[in-house]
Amino acid sequence: AQKITQTQPGMFVQEKEAVTLDCTYDTSDPSYGLFWYKQPSSGEMIFLIYQGSYDQQNATEGRYSLNFQKARKSANLVISASQLGDSAMYFCAMREGGYGNKLVFGAGTILRVKS
Amino acid sequence: DSGVTQTPKHLITATGQRVTLRCSPRSGDLSVYWYQQSLDQGLQFLIQYYNGEERAKGNILERFSAQQFPDLHSELNLSSLELGDSALYFCASSSQPGGQFMNTEAFFGQGTRLTVV
Repeated sequence: AQKITQTQPGMFVQEKEAVTLDCTYDTSDPSYGLFWYKQPSSGEMIFLIYQGSYDQQNATEGRYSLNFQKARKSANLVISASQLGDSAMYFCAMREGGYGNKLVFGAGTILRVKS
Repeated sequence: DSGVTQTPKHLITATGQRVTLRCSPRSGDLSVYWYQQSLDQGLQFLIQYYNGEERAKGNILERFSAQQFPDLHSELNLSSLELGDSALYFCASSSQPGGQFMNTEAFFGQGTRLTVV
């Protein structure tokens, strides 16, 4: 069974500093994808970044990067140069191969950026 | 704007009632996913449709049902509502059915917040 664990219920970071949000996953499927979504207080789910299990390089998208450590089954999100607008809930999610392949989400981490 | 439209945005109804949530996927997307987000269960996958056919099923209650129509919009029907059904219901769409398309991003709508009183 799939499982995504986000151990940090809440995090604070100073504006302009970097922050790492932790995510570990559990799967026996060699083919899977890892996603990070941002959910601001308005409620919508915003896709941030994707990492495939066979990707050799860590994914980067602007200020977002994914620290993918396959052997440790971790996929931590790094946000550089935090901005006040980064304050939100962040979800790690995984998709395995197979028919349909839904996204399975972690419990989320609330990030608050301080000025 | 993700391009996925959900209506209504808010819905308040009484226990025992039935409601229908509607989702219009992004133009060209054939896959529609429904998720439920509640405080105690987090984000849970309910069901997926691809081009009108049910593709995958998650933790969807028997009181809930969904369908995808020929124009690709989808409806989630919730019946015999209970207080515990109060949640934010998301629809997401993607261009691919899944399977080997691992990196297919799912675009989420803004959600329908259902309150059962």
